[in-house]
This record gives sequence, C-alpha cells and structure tokens, in this order.
Amino acid sequence: EDQVTQSPEALRLQEGESSSLNCSYTVSGLRGLFWYRQDPGKGPEFLFTLYSAGEEKEKERLKATLTKKESFLHITAPKPEDSATYLCAVLTNNYGQNFVFGPGTRLSVLP
Amino acid sequence: DTGVSQDPRHKITKRGQNVTFRCDPISEHNRLYWYRQTLGQGPEFLTYFQNEAQLEKSRLLSDRFSAERPKGSFSTLEIQRTEQGDSAMYLCASSSPSRNPNNEKLFFGSGTQLSVL
Repeated sequence: EDQVTQSPEALRLQEGESSSLNCSYTVSGLRGLFWYRQDPGKGPEFLFTLYSAGEEKEKERLKATLTKKESFLHITAPKPEDSATYLCAVLTNNYGQNFVFGPGTRLSVLP
Repeated sequence: DTGVSQDPRHKITKRGQNVTFRCDPISEHNRLYWYRQTLGQGPEFLTYFQNEAQLEKSRLLSDRFSAERPKGSFSTLEIQRTEQGDSAMYLCASSSPSRNPNNEKLFFGSGTQLSVL
C-alpha cells in the first residue's frame, strides 16, 4: 500500500530562520510528487510538481527537491505570511488519478 | 477564472439525516475530484470524474456516499443516514488534462465543513 509521511508534524520558526520540511514516501511506481500549501479554512493551493530524483523547483523563498525516497521543502528566510500547513501528495501506478496526501506539516513563522 | 466554488460552506445536521453538497469547478476543467479532510490530516480521496463519467471511487467509501456530475459540469456529493464519523471538511478540486497525465495541478475549493450531531 502506498504511504506518505511528513515530518515534523509542526514547526515554529523565527522570521528569517531557514529550515526544511520532509516528505517520505513508500510507493509503487511514482508518477509525480506534489507540494501544496493550505491556509486555515481554505483548500490546498498548488506549489510544485516533481517527477524524478534529482529534480528541483523554486518559487520565491521555497525550494522543493526530490530523491528516490523523499522530498524536501526548503524555506529560506521565512516570513510570517509563510505560516500555513504544507502538504505533499503522490500520484502512483497503484491508484490511477487518486492523489495520496500526507498528513502535512504545520508551519508557524513568528515575527 | 472564478475558481472552484463549494456550497454550503458549513452544514450542521443531526445523525441519520441526509445531506447534499454542491461543487462548481473551473469552467474549462473536465476533471473533478472529491476529497475528505479531518483535523490534522491530509485530504483523503473519495471519488473522481472525467466529464460526466465517475472513473474512480475509493474502496473505503461507504455506500451511503454517492456523487454525480450530470452533463460534466457541477457535481453533487450526497451522504445518506449521516453518522458522527462523517464530520469532516469535504473538498472539491478540479483540473484540466495536460499532455503529460502525471502533470496534474489540482485547484481546490474552500470546502464544506460538515458537523454531524
């Protein structure tokens, strides 16, 4: 069975304090790994798609990387507006178009 | 682009009642998904439509749940004989196909928060 885990469950950073969030996956036939951001009371918002080990994508203060077993979301010099829950999801050969989401990491950036 | 809209935003019901939620996807999107999310968890897949055809349904989905997408436009999700365990956020998402079937960006609505008393 495909599994996605994320760590840490929650993370508190000071403004400007860089860190990384982890997404580990155990799947059969990874077709794509996706990062989403979710604000309270809203649906997830797409950030990145990664397809193959070694791939990297960047957007403002965020950079996503992918290995054969995990993905990292690096946050450089975060600001309070980066506070949100960050979700990763995988698309695999087992589940057609069923995206399997991890539980998320709740990020709080303090001013 | 008005985004994905869901109605109602909140629904409180008594155990045993039936409820129906509506989702209006982005107009040019032919794919529509329903997900369920509980506090502290990621979204859990329920079902998926391509146009009006329901192509996938979670094996974990009770037969009290049914979804439709008449004419491939809006979709409804009905829960019959609600139970307290059905309390969750119900999210709808849509997407448009790309040449790469793995390159699928989901656009989510803000969800319907269901509370079963």
